[in-house]
Amino acid sequence: DSGVTQTPKHLITATGQRVTLRCSPRSGDLSVYWYQQSLDQGLQFLIQYYNGEERAKGNILERFSAQQFPDLHSELNLSSLELGDSALYFCASSVTHAAGELFFGEGSRLTVL
Amino acid sequence: GIQVEQSPPDLILQEGANSTLRCNFSDSVNNLQWFHQNPWGQLINLFYIPSGTKQNGRLSATTVATERYSLLYISSSQTTDSGVYFCAVLSGYSTLTFGKGTMLLVSP
Repeated sequence: DSGVTQTPKHLITATGQRVTLRCSPRSGDLSVYWYQQSLDQGLQFLIQYYNGEERAKGNILERFSAQQFPDLHSELNLSSLELGDSALYFCASSVTHAAGELFFGEGSRLTVL
Repeated sequence: GIQVEQSPPDLILQEGANSTLRCNFSDSVNNLQWFHQNPWGQLINLFYIPSGTKQNGRLSATTVATERYSLLYISSSQTTDSGVYFCAVLSGYSTLTFGKGTMLLVSP
């Protein structure tokens, strides 16, 4: 158990819908990262938050957004879903913003039908 | 950005065999991690090893930062070692960049 908690573990929805994925970092970790893993793109960095502030942005679509709350949990919002958004979404956390060791949650598997 | 190449892309072993997985990277790094993704999709931390050598049971890893590569050794492989092994690196103030992985299948 990495200490990073993600919910839900599985999610099935339809095209055009909106979903929210939730992540609770390890106790004491201030940085949260979101990654997307799809079959054709591998593990891609989406976005990072550190202590409530956006720290770095990767290949995140405009239809996607995220935030980190004062209690340090984070949510990833995916809207106007398309078939190609089906993927495994991982959250990771680390102590600092400069990414020491990252620890990953078990992922949320999203299927868009 | 930094490039990460892993080899071999696929590997099939008989139980009990040893193997070496390689990770080459294109720039200096201040973080390198090895992960195992099991068949259920979980990403499990194996090593945090920006330089030097570490061992954990049957697994060990060596990173030669000056030559920009890292090696993961698996000895006496077991069927539970099957899955995908990822190398991920951090360069400067960017975030972890993952290689494409080595898919390992250990047969009984």
